[in-house]
Amino acid sequence: GEDVEQSLFLSVREGDSSVINCTYTDSSSTYLYWYKQEPGAGLQLLTYIFSNMDMKQDQRLTVLLNKKDKHLSLRIADTQTGDSAIYFCAEMDQAGTALIFGKGTTLSVSS
Amino acid sequence: EAQVTQNPRYLITVTGKKLTVTCSQNMNHEYMSWYRQDPGLGLRQIYYSMNVEVTDKGDVPEGYKVSRKEKRNFPLILESPSPNQTSLYFCASRAQGAMNTEAFFGQGTRLTVV
Repeated sequence: GEDVEQSLFLSVREGDSSVINCTYTDSSSTYLYWYKQEPGAGLQLLTYIFSNMDMKQDQRLTVLLNKKDKHLSLRIADTQTGDSAIYFCAEMDQAGTALIFGKGTTLSVSS
Repeated sequence: EAQVTQNPRYLITVTGKKLTVTCSQNMNHEYMSWYRQDPGLGLRQIYYSMNVEVTDKGDVPEGYKVSRKEKRNFPLILESPSPNQTSLYFCASRAQGAMNTEAFFGQGTRLTVV
């Protein structure tokens, strides 16, 4: 079945760039997503990328997709303490009925 | 304001005492689903509904029931809760159709079963 893997922790200094990586198994995924979860809050969609794109940029966020390697990354430029959260990579399952989430990467930003 | 509302936000209950977590969305979305989030396991889908009176099992449906009598509501029912159902639960909704439509999540319900 579909599976999404991501590293569990990332620690960076304020002002540095953060790169969160994700691998997925379903090559037929048409959309891949990044969600952010702040402490005590629900999930917020940060961005998504269509599978025929290699890159998508949205202000401080850059998403890179390597479809051949089934690798997705989220780069946050000029990381701020407010970016501290759990970041989830997700793909839509083939039937379009479920988001398959990775286990989440906890980003810790120190000042 | 577009939102998904879950109630309660926090709940502590005892083993075997039936409970219902409500979920309501105001966006006229066809698709709704329930996830549970556990440390080290990420989010896993419990049940989903493609429309009124249409529900189906997700990855971890055991011990849960759902109903979809109206488009806006999708309650999660635990007939006989057990400690292994202690978790953080999220309800989500999205418009049916293109997969790039955003899934909106509720704020979560933290359930503890003792």
